[in-house]
Parts: sequence; C-alpha cells; structure tokens
Amino acid sequence: ELKVEQNPLFLSMQEGKNYTIYCNYSTTSDRLYWYRQDPGKSLESLFVLLSNGAVKQEGRLMASLDTKARLSTLHITAAVHDLSATYFCAVHKAAGNKLTFGGGTRVLVKP
Amino acid sequence: GAVVSQHPSWVICKSGTSVKIECRSLDFQATTMFWYRQFPKQSLMLMATSNEGSKATYEQGVEKDKFLINHASLTLSTLTVTSAHPEDSSFYICSARGGISTDTQYFGPGTRLTVL
Repeated sequence: ELKVEQNPLFLSMQEGKNYTIYCNYSTTSDRLYWYRQDPGKSLESLFVLLSNGAVKQEGRLMASLDTKARLSTLHITAAVHDLSATYFCAVHKAAGNKLTFGGGTRVLVKP
Repeated sequence: GAVVSQHPSWVICKSGTSVKIECRSLDFQATTMFWYRQFPKQSLMLMATSNEGSKATYEQGVEKDKFLINHASLTLSTLTVTSAHPEDSSFYICSARGGISTDTQYFGPGTRLTVL
C-alpha cells in the first residue's frame, strides 16, 4: 500500500526567510503533485513532477523530485504572508490510477 | 478550461435525511470522476472512483450503500449520502479527469456538509 508522508505538519515562517517542506512516499510512482489549499477552499494545483531530477519553479515556490530517494521537496524562498495556506503533496501510482495524498503542511507566515 | 463545479457549496441537513451532491465538468468530458472526503485539518481521503456508465469502485472502509455514486454522463457525477449522521459532516471534494489532459485531475470547489 502506498504511503505518503509530509513533514513538518505545521510550519511557522518569518517573512523573508527560506523554508522546505518534505514529501516521502513508500513505493514507485510515475507522477507527483503539489497543491495549495486555502481555508474553506478546494485545491489549487501548483506543480506536477514527472521524472527523476525534475525541478519546477513558480514565483517563490520551487519543487523538486528524487525518485530514487522517493522524496519531493517544496522550497519556499523569502516567505511572504500570501503564502500562508496548507500545502499537500500527492503521489500518483499507475496501478490503480489514483492519487494518494500526504497529510498536509499547514504554513503560517508571520510578518 | 478544465473547470469542475460542485453543487451545493454547502448544505445543512437533519440526521437521517439524504443529501445529494453534484459534480460537473463544465468544459470537458470526464471519463473518470473521483470523490474525496476531508475532515477538518486533515488530508483528503479518496472515497471512490467512478467511470461513466459503470459502477463506482469504493476504497476500503467506505460503505457503498451509504455513499451512493452515480456517473450517468460524461459531465456529471453525483454523490448521495444516505441516512446522514453527524459523523458524516465533512468537506466533500470531487475531481474529474478527461479532456485533453487525461492524466490530470481537476478539482471541484468542494461541498461542506453539516449534519445536525
């Protein structure tokens, strides 16, 4: 059974500093997604990572994938208040063709 | 493009009643739709996968007689929570896959269900 673990579960950030969220998964996968969720809202797609060594960046967020280590990271550069949200990684497994979500990381950026 | 809507966005009902939630793909044909449940401050848990015209596949531990899923067309799936109880109160999110990007799931805005 595929297990997806995120850490930390909660991250209190100071504006202007850099932070990293980690996503580990237990079996091989063909795609990994990162999503953002604001309180009371649904998911906003951030990134999809398809292959080993993939790196994608959008603004202050950068995601990377190491399939050998079964690890993805979401790096936040110079955090700003607008980035406060809950971030989820989700792993797609071809067998079964469905997503398994990590537990989420709740991010609070303090001024 | 690739917009998924849900209706209603929130619903309050009495214990013992049934509630139907609709999930529509507005600008593409969804060959597969997924239903997730999210309890407060928790992650999304997949409840079931439905393919148009066939029976839904439920995840382990999800009661198929309680959570009825119908995917009668390529743009509409419904989730009916039968004989709802307070423990069914949750945020229900659907997603749809299809159209040009058959690998991507597009998520609906969610439906908050409160059972009194």
